[in-house]
Amino acid sequence: EVQLVESGGGLVQPGGSLRLSCAASGFTFSSYAMNWVRQAPGQGLEWVSAISGSGGNTFYADSVKGRFTISRDNSRNTLFLEMNSLRAEDTAVYYCAKDYITVAGSFFWNWGQGTLVTVSS
Amino acid sequence: EILLTQSPGTLSLSPGDRATLSCRASQSINSNYLAWYQQKPGQAPRLLIYGASNRATGIPDRFSGSGSGTDFTLTISRLEPEDFAVYYCQQYGSSPLTFGGGTKVEIK
Repeated sequence: EVQLVESGGGLVQPGGSLRLSCAASGFTFSSYAMNWVRQAPGQGLEWVSAISGSGGNTFYADSVKGRFTISRDNSRNTLFLEMNSLRAEDTAVYYCAKDYITVAGSFFWNWGQGTLVTVSS
Repeated sequence: EILLTQSPGTLSLSPGDRATLSCRASQSINSNYLAWYQQKPGQAPRLLIYGASNRATGIPDRFSGSGSGTDFTLTISRLEPEDFAVYYCQQYGSSPLTFGGGTKVEIK
């Protein structure tokens, strides 16, 4: 059974940083691209970032480009999202989502339960 | 960027009714690369449909997807109590990946 467990969310001040993690199990982690998708309180879904199975290719939404960095450790089956220069509008539940394919840019076959990031002074 | 517009915003129906949800794209979606998700309060989204019409593993056959180009539809043939939720479409035909704003299916 595929399991994705996010951690690292919390309250951070504007301009601050946070690192999210997603521990994966139940599948061959390196064979699939992975994504971060967020959902602001009471709002819809927004794709944030993706990384290919090998980690060699990364992709970002314009809203986070230059501030967020996605990475993965295939030896530890873990996905990361380093978030810098955080803004109030980054407040959201962040979901880790497994892609359908290796190269990224597809749909999201499995989702974690999400971790809440709140940016506020 | 492809914009996805879902309608209606809210659908008020009774168990046993047929639900028809629309997702319209601002430009044609390559190879009908469109997916549908269901989200219940406090839960993560769940994949229902991919490739416009393919049901994901374990999804009941009362859920069906159709459409091509810019117009897509999710149909729930007979609503069960557990189907009342918010539904999102998502396109993966071009970058960036985008979602529609969602349709809430509520109990009438």
